[in-house]
This record gives sequence, C-alpha cells and structure tokens, in this order.
Amino acid sequence: DAKTTQPPSMDCAEGRAANLPCNHSTISGNEYVYWYRQIHSQGPQYIIHGLKNNETNEMASLIITEDRKSSTLILPHATLRDTAVYYCIVRVESGAGNMLTFGGGTRLMVKP
Amino acid sequence: DAGITQSPRHKVTETGTPVTLRCHQTENHRYMYWYRQDPGHGLRLIHYSYGVKDTDKGEVSDGYSVSRSKTEDFLLTLESATSSQTSVYFCATGGQGAKNVLTFGAGSRLTVL
Repeated sequence: DAKTTQPPSMDCAEGRAANLPCNHSTISGNEYVYWYRQIHSQGPQYIIHGLKNNETNEMASLIITEDRKSSTLILPHATLRDTAVYYCIVRVESGAGNMLTFGGGTRLMVKP
Repeated sequence: DAGITQSPRHKVTETGTPVTLRCHQTENHRYMYWYRQDPGHGLRLIHYSYGVKDTDKGEVSDGYSVSRSKTEDFLLTLESATSSQTSVYFCATGGQGAKNVLTFGAGSRLTVL
C-alpha cells in the first residue's frame, strides 16, 4: 500500500472550512484514498473515500488531484466537535478485505 | 456503533493471567480485525479474519491468538498477559469490496499490572 504524509497538527477557527492535506505520491492506479477520524478515546470513524473523482457526502468533501498524488479533505464548516485526529489512508481491496494501515494522522484543533 | 459490541470495555489484570476480549457484530460482515492503540504508535493491526475459522496475523501478533467460530464473534486472547500489552484494543468489521468501509467498536481498555 502507498504511504501517506500528513501534517502532524492543524488549527481551524470554528465555522470556517478545515482543509486537511494528504500526500500519497506513490499511489497506484487501483488504490483508493480513505479518510477516517478518531475523536478522543473513541474508535475511528469513517468519513469519506474516493478513487479518482472528487467526492462529497454529508460530513465532508474529498478533492483528489488529477495525478492522484495528493488529496484534501474539506470540512466545510468546522465545529468544536470536529476536533479529532484525521487519518488519510490509501488502500487496494485484497484478500484481507479493506484492512487499513494507520499512520500518525493530523490532529485538528477547532478553536472558538 | 450499535452493530459492534466489544467486551469487556475495561479490564485490569495481573501479569501472567489469561485474558480474552470479545468482539460481537450484527452486520454479517465477512472481515473482522483487532487493532491495538498505544501513545506514540497509533493503531496497529494484531490479527484479522476473512471468514469463519479463517484468520491471519497482522503487524503485531506476537503474544496474541484469535478465534472465529461463527461470523458474528471474533475473540482475541492473551494467553499470559504482560505489562507491554497494556493498551486500548479496537475491533473493526468490514464487508467485501472497496466501498465496504471499516466500522470500529468503542474499544476495550486493558491494564496489565
């Protein structure tokens, strides 16, 4: 699986958009980009995933560059409850299912 | 999540004692996983299962065994607990295909004295 690089921490003002970058320059053509987050002491929570096209759901938007070497997770109107560690993971589905390998993630602090 | 139940949620035990953590799912997912999370290491895969009686090792499997006798239950056993196994353990389940994302349980906090 391709390795990802994320900034260790970011701050965002409440109500503003949070843009979390992820670099995955060695991604293969059949690897998906997944985003999960972990709020303190809870299990990780799925946010969104994509292959090539930009994706949007009720939680966030995922923007993947045309060359697929990087992506950005956008939380359009961050709230205090979005304070969490955000993990960007690239993965191809295999005999192990969608087993995920977690890196260090980005610790997002949403401030009032 | 309502579909995944981990038990016990908290356990304190002594070095050398056996410990079993249980993960129960109601999602009928094929795949189940056990992760541990420690400060400075993030989430690391211990073992996973791709079907009843089908299991395989993950990144940090030493000192752990697993069993899956039915689809809904995945047991993690520490045969002889050590202090280095003090951690928070998360179970996850998932279906087949890239669109079937993982769902995690609430975690089991184990302290080995």
